[in-house]
Amino acid sequence: EIVLTQSPGTLSLSPGEGATLSCRASQSVDNRHLAWYQQKPGQAPRLLIYATSSRATGIPDRFSGSGSGTDFALTISRLEPEDFAVYYCQQFGGSSWTFGQGTKVEIK
Amino acid sequence: QVQLVQSGAEVKKPGASVKVSCKASGYIFTTYYLHWVRQAPGQGLEWMGMINPTNGNTNYAQKFRGRVTMTRDTSTSTVYMELNSLGSEDTALYYCARERPGATMGFDYWGQGTLVTVSP
Repeated sequence: EIVLTQSPGTLSLSPGEGATLSCRASQSVDNRHLAWYQQKPGQAPRLLIYATSSRATGIPDRFSGSGSGTDFALTISRLEPEDFAVYYCQQFGGSSWTFGQGTKVEIK
Repeated sequence: QVQLVQSGAEVKKPGASVKVSCKASGYIFTTYYLHWVRQAPGQGLEWMGMINPTNGNTNYAQKFRGRVTMTRDTSTSTVYMELNSLGSEDTALYYCARERPGATMGFDYWGQGTLVTVSP
């Protein structure tokens, strides 16, 4: 099973600042099968990015994804108040899906 | 509009089983896989498995094989997840989520979640 490790665990930032979240895999991941989700308290996860860098429907362009192999990143160019949430990366490999443990982006 | 509507909260005793449903609407039921993902209180997301509504084929995470069963009813566009031999560690919010086969587009719609509490 491929293990995804996200860092940092918590990111404390102010609105307007940029954020870069990291997701490292224990073995190489097919770029087509790397996704990012946002989850706010009391809500189901929401798909942000699929296939490493494609934005899901309705996702603003301040969200972008990048990476390959074992290192992937989610970048939020300028944080809006509604972006403070927990973010998860997800991959598919070896017939199973796994999630990272999440990065919390909190207001500084 | 696409909706995945799950059944209500459950409270179970240790050792019991629970069956959670997820009713799909707003799209052709057989054109998307349905996955189950759970989230323990204050914890991250854990994939449990998936079902292909077209033929009922399933793929379960290693951790849950032998203890989980996913089924579907095409007449009502509903999938079910049954988990047996419940323990306190199974207390969690259980989500269903859909995935378009072969499209590598992630899990684009999620249910609202079903809280399962396991308590003596």
